[in-house]
Amino acid sequence: AQTVTQSQPEMSVQEAETVTLSCTYDTSENNYYLFWYKQPPSRQMILVIRQEAYKQQNATENRFSVNFQKAAKSFSLKISDSQLGDTAMYFCAFTETFSGTYKYIFGTGTRLKVLA
Amino acid sequence: DAGVIQSPRHEVTEMGQEVTLRCKLISGHNSLFWYRQTMMRGLELLIYFNNNVPIDDSGMPEDRFSAKMPNASFSTLKIQPSEPRDSAVYFCASSGTGNQPQHFGDGTRLSIL
Repeated sequence: AQTVTQSQPEMSVQEAETVTLSCTYDTSENNYYLFWYKQPPSRQMILVIRQEAYKQQNATENRFSVNFQKAAKSFSLKISDSQLGDTAMYFCAFTETFSGTYKYIFGTGTRLKVLA
Repeated sequence: DAGVIQSPRHEVTEMGQEVTLRCKLISGHNSLFWYRQTMMRGLELLIYFNNNVPIDDSGMPEDRFSAKMPNASFSTLKIQPSEPRDSAVYFCASSGTGNQPQHFGDGTRLSIL
């Protein structure tokens, strides 16, 4: 069965510094997708970034980038120049295909606090 | 574009009452997911639909829970009778075909007294 593991329940970082959140997953599939979602205190679930497994190039979205290591089944999120608004829970998610629908498997989340 | 719209945003009711949560999908999306989030269990997938058809309801905790998609743009999640342990934030999310990412609603915070 596919699983997603986020081993860091909580992290903190100084404003303007860089932080990396880790995520590992387990799957026997070769084609899949990985996502990072952000959940601020307002509780919205916001898509931060996504990565297709068949792409070797790491995805980037402004200050957010990933380090995708397919062989190691690792998908970490790097936040550069951290801002106070980055304070949130961050969830890593993996998609499998089932009957043509993409079912997500979420990790347990990492609570990130950006310190002023 | 309007996002996924959930109602109500908050619901407080007494145990034993019927609760109905509502979700309007993003126009053009054909997959619908219901999640429950609690501190203890994190984010759990309850059920998902594709083209109005339930694909996997293995996450539905008990027969007290039921979900429907009466049309392509709307879904309901019903709990009858409700119990205090059902208290949680319930999210619905929708996505388009293929590898399109899921877009979440703002959630319904449900409190059963």
